[in-house]
Amino acid sequence: NAGVTQTPKFRVLKTGQSMTLLCAQDMNHEYMYWYRQDPGMGLRLIHYSVGEGTTAKGEVPDGYNVSRLKKQNFLLGLESAAPSQTSVYFCASSESGAAYTDTQYFGPGTRLTVL
Amino acid sequence: AQTVTQSQPEMSVQEAETVTLSCTYDTSENNYYLFWYKQPPSRQMILVIRQEAYKQQNATENRFSVNFQKAAKSFSLKISDSQLGDTAMYFCAFRGNRDDKIIFGKGTRLHILP
Repeated sequence: NAGVTQTPKFRVLKTGQSMTLLCAQDMNHEYMYWYRQDPGMGLRLIHYSVGEGTTAKGEVPDGYNVSRLKKQNFLLGLESAAPSQTSVYFCASSESGAAYTDTQYFGPGTRLTVL
Repeated sequence: AQTVTQSQPEMSVQEAETVTLSCTYDTSENNYYLFWYKQPPSRQMILVIRQEAYKQQNATENRFSVNFQKAAKSFSLKISDSQLGDTAMYFCAFRGNRDDKIIFGKGTRLHILP
């Protein structure tokens, strides 16, 4: 099992460019999450999905869109990148969402810089 | 809204010492779940330990244990016999019983000194 993988690992964008971050998991997990991590801010939830075809907003959804067309993939899109979106992005997945028995498995992160 | 507060941005201890990381949270729920995650320099987030609010017994995982004080809404992590590999950022996290998502604190950067 590869667990949770993220593509790409690093990316530099110019303001106004668009891109898509791909998260893939091979554990047949129902729940998937996108977080951003900024210095001194901890992890903040951008969007999440409780199953194929579903998405929901998290704490900081503005400027991002997501799609979950396949159960194993969760895509995070930036339509018009802004310097404020410079961050490290983490994807996570969990089996069922049951609060205690569930464990979130994290990907290795994507470092995005917007110039 | 639930909040998680870690009041120690950074800490340093000598190898083999015991260190305690603080975490407080705010919630109106009676049943919930608390977690400590570790993020080493590799950036990979790893679950260290978790606690159910309705269990009075403190969770323990090898050298890691928690001091859960429900009335005080406090959830501290104790690392015994600290090792160089414990150097990492540690995040306290909260999840409500009916929530789909976890709320993270801002983290404590822990340095274990040789």
